[in-house]
Amino acid sequence: GENVEQHPSTLSVQEGDSAVIKCTYSDSASNYFPWYKQELGKRPQLIIDIRSNVGEKKDQRIAVTLNKTAKHFSLHITETQPEDSAVYFCAASIVFNTNAGKSTFGDGTTLTVKP
Amino acid sequence: EAGVTQSPTHLIKTRGQQATLRCSPISGHTSVYWYQQALGLGLQFLLWYDEGEERNRGNFPPRFSGRQFPNYSSELNVNALELEDSALYLCASSLATFLEQFFGPGTRLTVL
Repeated sequence: GENVEQHPSTLSVQEGDSAVIKCTYSDSASNYFPWYKQELGKRPQLIIDIRSNVGEKKDQRIAVTLNKTAKHFSLHITETQPEDSAVYFCAASIVFNTNAGKSTFGDGTTLTVKP
Repeated sequence: EAGVTQSPTHLIKTRGQQATLRCSPISGHTSVYWYQQALGLGLQFLLWYDEGEERNRGNFPPRFSGRQFPNYSSELNVNALELEDSALYLCASSLATFLEQFFGPGTRLTVL
């Protein structure tokens, strides 16, 4: 089955710096890659996603890049703010085949932004 | 518009008992997903329901089961509870397969 590895497990940055979280996946059939943010005690919320036919997507301070050949994708947060502190999860999903509906999540990265 | 709701918020059971967790998706969403999040760990995919049918399941034993009702709400049943079943169980819904998943607040299951 699919295996998703996420690094680093913890990341501490100064406010204003950039943060990068990387994920690798094993199943080349995966074609949808969402990123979720989970603040302490709250539910996960989608912050950005990318499909396999796109190499990069950006939304204000957040961007995601995908390298299908290498089977890895990354989350980039620029100009970090204290409210970016949370656990971030990546996921790899397969859409529209017999495995559709199964998301494999990484173990999460705890990001701490120091003021 | 109401978000995904789950009940109960907390559930305490003893080993060997059975637990039933409930989820109501956002109105209009037909897909419901269940995940297990053990303390400090990631999200483990449990089950996916769409249009009343189980479409896929994760690597969990058969004592984890569920169903989806005609109104698209869903129920997760865990039989013969074990201590390691203690976790936060999250339900999510989406408008169609793999559009954005919206998560509920979760049910905290504690097995003593």
